[in-house]
Amino acid sequence: AQSVAQPEDQVNVAEGNPLTVKCTYSVSGNPYLFWYVQYPNRGLQFLLKYITGDNLVKGSYGFEAEFNKSQTSFHLKKPSALVSDSALYFCAVRRLSGTYKYIFGTGTRLKVLA
Amino acid sequence: DGGITQSPKYLFRKEGQNVTLSCEQNLNHDAMYWYRQDPGQGLRLIYYSQIVNDFQKGDIAEGYSVSREKKESFPLTVTSAQKNPTAFYLCASSIGGGPLSDYGYTFGSGTRLTVV
Repeated sequence: AQSVAQPEDQVNVAEGNPLTVKCTYSVSGNPYLFWYVQYPNRGLQFLLKYITGDNLVKGSYGFEAEFNKSQTSFHLKKPSALVSDSALYFCAVRRLSGTYKYIFGTGTRLKVLA
Repeated sequence: DGGITQSPKYLFRKEGQNVTLSCEQNLNHDAMYWYRQDPGQGLRLIYYSQIVNDFQKGDIAEGYSVSREKKESFPLTVTSAQKNPTAFYLCASSIGGGPLSDYGYTFGSGTRLTVV
């Protein structure tokens, strides 16, 4: 069965410091991995994806994610956090059933402190 | 501007009442989805549709119904059979094609449904 886990409910980081939001996955075959961000009372916004190619993927708003096949991880990173990065972040893996359904993690709330 | 529009933003339902949530997209996307979001549980798939006049149950379809009569529209009805409907409902769409053309989902802004 395919699954995705976000082990931290909340991550706190000081503004200007690097941030990491963790995601691990379990899939059979090649994974298709995504990160989304959600601001209060809004839908999710696409940040970045890994389909194939370079393990380091760059996305919107200065975020990047590193695909690590041996550790089955896809952690979201940013070199210098902003207060405006405070939001709920979701990792997702695409199901390999010929459809475009995704399994979402439970989300990690990022709080950047001024 | 292209996007997905969900309405209403807030909806209140009385016990035993059916309510319908609207989702319209002008992105020419083939596939559309309904998710339910509860605190601490992430997003759970209710129904999805890959083509007009066809839809499939997701993981938590009981108490919900959908239709896909037009490519642009995918309304969700929360029926009285859904015993715990209070949640944030998200509609999404995605372009068709193979994995390399997969750009993920575009989400609407959501509808918050509350039972009163």
